[in-house]
Amino acid sequence: DTGVSQNPRHKITKRGQNVTFRCDPISEHNRLYWYRQTLGQGPEFLTYFQNEAQLEKSRLLSDRFSAERPKGSFSTLEIQRTEQGDSAMYLCASSSGKEEQYFGPGTRLTVT
Amino acid sequence: GEDVEQSLFLSVREGDSSVINCTYTDSSSTYLYWYKQEPGAGLQLLTYIFSNMDMKQDQRLTVLLNKKDKHLSLRIADTQTGDSAIYFCAERRGSYIPTFGRGTSLIVHP
Repeated sequence: DTGVSQNPRHKITKRGQNVTFRCDPISEHNRLYWYRQTLGQGPEFLTYFQNEAQLEKSRLLSDRFSAERPKGSFSTLEIQRTEQGDSAMYLCASSSGKEEQYFGPGTRLTVT
Repeated sequence: GEDVEQSLFLSVREGDSSVINCTYTDSSSTYLYWYKQEPGAGLQLLTYIFSNMDMKQDQRLTVLLNKKDKHLSLRIADTQTGDSAIYFCAERRGSYIPTFGRGTSLIVHP
């Protein structure tokens, strides 16, 4: 059981650059979620997929944020023209449609 | 106000019981969760309870749910230093999207 994996674990970028993060869910899980977590806060929902369909994206923080899951397996989250306020931990989770969500270790983004 | 509220800090002595409390606002919540997060890591699901239950026990963990008061608690028996972490309460309604509290930082000292 490999669990949910995320890459990279850490990313430092300059303001204005684009970044892309990858999430590999647990293999049999059809639902995949992205969250953002800032210091002292709980995870804040961004978007989720059921298979390759993105079922909820209204909570993406701005049009600079986009996510894909082209084949219903791994997913990518892209942030264009990064800003310092984008610095946070980006968490991915997956589920099989039952009650539990399993989280990955997160990608910590620092925008300088 | 926030949908899910927790106190921010709890300090206990090793071997004592810890009780972490959470309140939520939506009476239609169907599932309530407790997650643990260690420094620099993702969230680990500890346990969850359906809204039609009032108690669930799993080894050292006991979850109590008071639906009338919309109050959830997590009791950790015989707290160990390895239990030091941030504990998040979350609630989920009909959709698959849980709402998390800000987390309670549990500090266990010898």
